[in-house]
Amino acid sequence: EAQVTQNPRYLITVTGKKLTVTCSQNMNHEYMSWYRQDPGLGLRQIYYSMNVEVTDKGDVPEGYKVSRKEKRNFPLILESPSPNQTSLYFCASGGQGSAYEQYFGPGTRLTVT
Amino acid sequence: GQNIDQPTEMTATEGAIVQINCTYQTSGFNGLFWYQQHAGEAPTFLSYNVLDGLEEKGRFSSFLSRSKGYSYLLLKELQMKDSASYLCAVRDQDSGYALNFGKGTSLLVTP
Repeated sequence: EAQVTQNPRYLITVTGKKLTVTCSQNMNHEYMSWYRQDPGLGLRQIYYSMNVEVTDKGDVPEGYKVSRKEKRNFPLILESPSPNQTSLYFCASGGQGSAYEQYFGPGTRLTVT
Repeated sequence: GQNIDQPTEMTATEGAIVQINCTYQTSGFNGLFWYQQHAGEAPTFLSYNVLDGLEEKGRFSSFLSRSKGYSYLLLKELQMKDSASYLCAVRDQDSGYALNFGKGTSLLVTP
């Protein structure tokens, strides 16, 4: 089944404790992206990657890191999480269809206390 | 940059038709997308417009006018399960494949 997976789905952590949210896709997509979604603000892009070893900042990159060592994986790293990073996070990948539409993972709900 | 506007909330009756509007401003338009998102779930792709006109897909249709910076999503024969948030997103030539999302329209379908 073609899909984007994320882990963990839910995470409660404390300020300053490094964490990684994994993202993997099995559709051989070149494009991958991370978004955060907050009430009243909608989906905002954090980082994206056009291909292996190619990453770039989105609209809200502060406090986040990413890497793209393999085509299928695009982890999101929070080196020192803070309470303002409490949010719902989505990973997405973009395919070879004519629209190059993006497919989203199930989301990771992160709470930083 | 881009400025995308859509209504915050809409209510419609089961079996009716509803139109959700989206206006945008962008310097290098390269496609407009509509996504559906149920509460607590991932957005799912509904439609894509890059040329002017209407794209029909079952009960859902999407329209685009590039000269007016305007799109709408039309939902026919509304069902209770259509209660969700509908996200308008624009792709810009200068940002590759990146999508800029509006804040979404929360649609409530009532019996």
